[in-house]
Amino acid sequence: AQSVTQLGSHVSVSEGALVLLRCNYSSSVPPYLFWYVQYPNQGLQLLLKYTTGATLVKGINGFEAEFKKSETSFHLTKPSAHMSDAAEYFCAARGSTLGRLYFGRGTQLTVWP
Amino acid sequence: NAGVTQTPKFQVLKTGQSMTLQCAQDMNHNSMYWYRQDPGMGLRLIYYSASEGTTDKGEVPNGYNVSRLNKREFSLRLESAAPSQTSVYFCASSEEVHNNQPQHFGDGTRLSIL
Repeated sequence: AQSVTQLGSHVSVSEGALVLLRCNYSSSVPPYLFWYVQYPNQGLQLLLKYTTGATLVKGINGFEAEFKKSETSFHLTKPSAHMSDAAEYFCAARGSTLGRLYFGRGTQLTVWP
Repeated sequence: NAGVTQTPKFQVLKTGQSMTLQCAQDMNHNSMYWYRQDPGMGLRLIYYSASEGTTDKGEVPNGYNVSRLNKREFSLRLESAAPSQTSVYFCASSEEVHNNQPQHFGDGTRLSIL
């Protein structure tokens, strides 16, 4: 079974600072990988998804994620945080069989002015 | 374009009451899912339907039943609500279960069981 670990349940940055949210997956075969964002009282919105063969995936709102097979990681970054980025972020992985989507426990991003 | 629509948005029940959460999607997706979200737990899959006419258990199916009414609609039923089922419930849909297409989520139903 797939598992997804997000390191750090809370991350705080200043506006304009680099955002780094960490995600590691457990699998010997790279699964399908996704990052979702959840704003208060809303559902999850897709930020980006991993495409086989790519190492850097670009998403919406200036976010991107780097896939590192050797580290089984898919960390999310944004060069310059904005107040509107404050939200909860979820990393998710879908294995190559069955198709179930496994979610990490989420990272709450706070952006200070 | 509505995407995934969930009703109701909020509900308070007493222990032992029953309730059905409704979900409909207008994207012609084959697969639909029900999740629950609890603080610090991420999203956990309750049930899913790979295609019309099929349903399967997820991680946490106990205390729930589902019905895939047609291709558009997938309902979740709590037969005898318990306080442990207080949660935010999300419905999602995707083109297929076995590909890299993302799931699309509704805005959730916030359910409190007293």
